[in-house]
Amino acid sequence: EDKVVQSPLSLVVHEGDTVTLNCSYEVTNFRSLLWYKQEKKAPTFLFMLTSSGIEKKSGRLSSILDKKELFSILNITATQTGDSAVYLCAVEATTSGTYKYIFGTGTRLKVLA
Amino acid sequence: NAGVTQTPKFQVLKTGQSMTLQCAQDMNHEYMSWYRQDPGMGLRLIHYSVGAGITDQGEVPNGYNVSRSTTEDFPLRLLSAAPSQTSVYFCASSYGMSTEAFFGQGTRLTVV
Repeated sequence: EDKVVQSPLSLVVHEGDTVTLNCSYEVTNFRSLLWYKQEKKAPTFLFMLTSSGIEKKSGRLSSILDKKELFSILNITATQTGDSAVYLCAVEATTSGTYKYIFGTGTRLKVLA
Repeated sequence: NAGVTQTPKFQVLKTGQSMTLQCAQDMNHEYMSWYRQDPGMGLRLIHYSVGAGITDQGEVPNGYNVSRSTTEDFPLRLLSAAPSQTSVYFCASSYGMSTEAFFGQGTRLTVV
C-alpha cells in the first residue's frame, strides 16, 4: 500500500529559529514529491521535486529529495509568525497507466513571537 | 481568474440523505481529485480522474461516487450520508503529471 509519513506531527518554535520537516514515502512507481502550505483553508503549492540531491529554494524555504532513502526535507530558516501553518507533503505515483497524488498527515508548525 | 470553485462552502445533512458536492475548474486541467481532511489525518484521496470519462478510486472511496462527463466538472456524490462522513472536503485540479495542484476553498460537511 502506498504510504507517505511526515514528522514531526507538530512543532512549536520561536521566531528566528530554523526548522526541518521530514517526509518519507513508500510508493510504487514514484514520479515526484510536492510540498504544500496550508493556513486557514486551501493548501498552496511550495515546491515540486523529481530528482535526488537538487535543492529547491524560495526565500527562506528550501527542500531536497533523496530517492535512494525515500525521503525529503523542508527547511525553513529565520522563521516568522507568518510561517505558522500545516505543511503537507504529497507524492505522485503511477499505476496501471494512471497516476495519483497521496498526501501525508502534515506537520503543524507554530511560530511564537 | 476563478481557478477551482467548490460549492457549497458549508452543508449540514441528516443521516441517510444524499447530496452532491460540486467542483469546477476553468484552467483546462486534465487531472481532478477529491480529498477529505479530518483532524490529524492529513488529506485522504477519495476519487480521482485523469481526464473526461476516466475515474478511479483513491484510499477512501466507500460511500462516494464520482463522474467526469466534462473536463471542467468533477462532482462528488454522497449516496447515503453517515456521521463518519463529517469532514472538510477539498477538490483539486492539476494540468497533468508532475504538476502542482490547485485547490478549491473546501466544503465543511456535517452529518447529524
